[in-house]
Amino acid sequence: EIVMTQSPATLSVSPGERATLSCRASQNVNGNLAWYQQKPGQAPRLLIYGASIRATGIPARFTGSGSGTDFTLTISSLQSEDFAVYFCQQYNNWPGTFGQGTNVEIK
Amino acid sequence: VQLQESGPRLVRPSQTLSLTCNVSGVAISSGGYYWNWIRQHPGKGLEYIGYISHSGSPYYNPALESRVDISLDTSKTQISLKLRSVSAADTALYYCARSDPYGDNAGWVDTWGQGTLVTVSS
Repeated sequence: EIVMTQSPATLSVSPGERATLSCRASQNVNGNLAWYQQKPGQAPRLLIYGASIRATGIPARFTGSGSGTDFTLTISSLQSEDFAVYFCQQYNNWPGTFGQGTNVEIK
Repeated sequence: VQLQESGPRLVRPSQTLSLTCNVSGVAISSGGYYWNWIRQHPGKGLEYIGYISHSGSPYYNPALESRVDISLDTSKTQISLKLRSVSAADTALYYCARSDPYGDNAGWVDTWGQGTLVTVSS
């Protein structure tokens, strides 16, 4: 099973600032990586798939990059609605596995 | 597309956890997607339980394979989950979800149900 490691566990950012979240796979997952956003009491929401393809309706301030084992989600200018937990998921191998999440909180 | 999980919220240890997911807004039989069960332990990350296509065999997480059954009822637009011999470690929020296949794998999840919290306790 591929282990996904996210860092940092918590990221404190002021509104309007840039947030950079990292996700590392224990082995090569090519570009088969997705990012999700989860707010308290809600199901996750798909942000990015294919490492860099924004899902329908996702604002351009969300950018995914990377391939192989190292991936990044960048939120260019944090809005109030962006404070949440973010998960990465590889789907290159079965079972698909998720990282433990990065909590983006208001600084 | 909407997914809605239902089933008992409390299950006794060693018993079978049974959940149903009602799918609306899309026909399961139309194909093109996989139908998944994913769980989230309280305050923790997400774990794949398994998935099934509209016509294919189910695929299970090897860690749970000996205890899990996932099935489809396309006429009723329902997906079912049965998890046998549960313990407290199976207490979690259980999500039904639709994914876009990648090869033979479940792919990325584009639609999630609201989730249902199931507690295993005597």
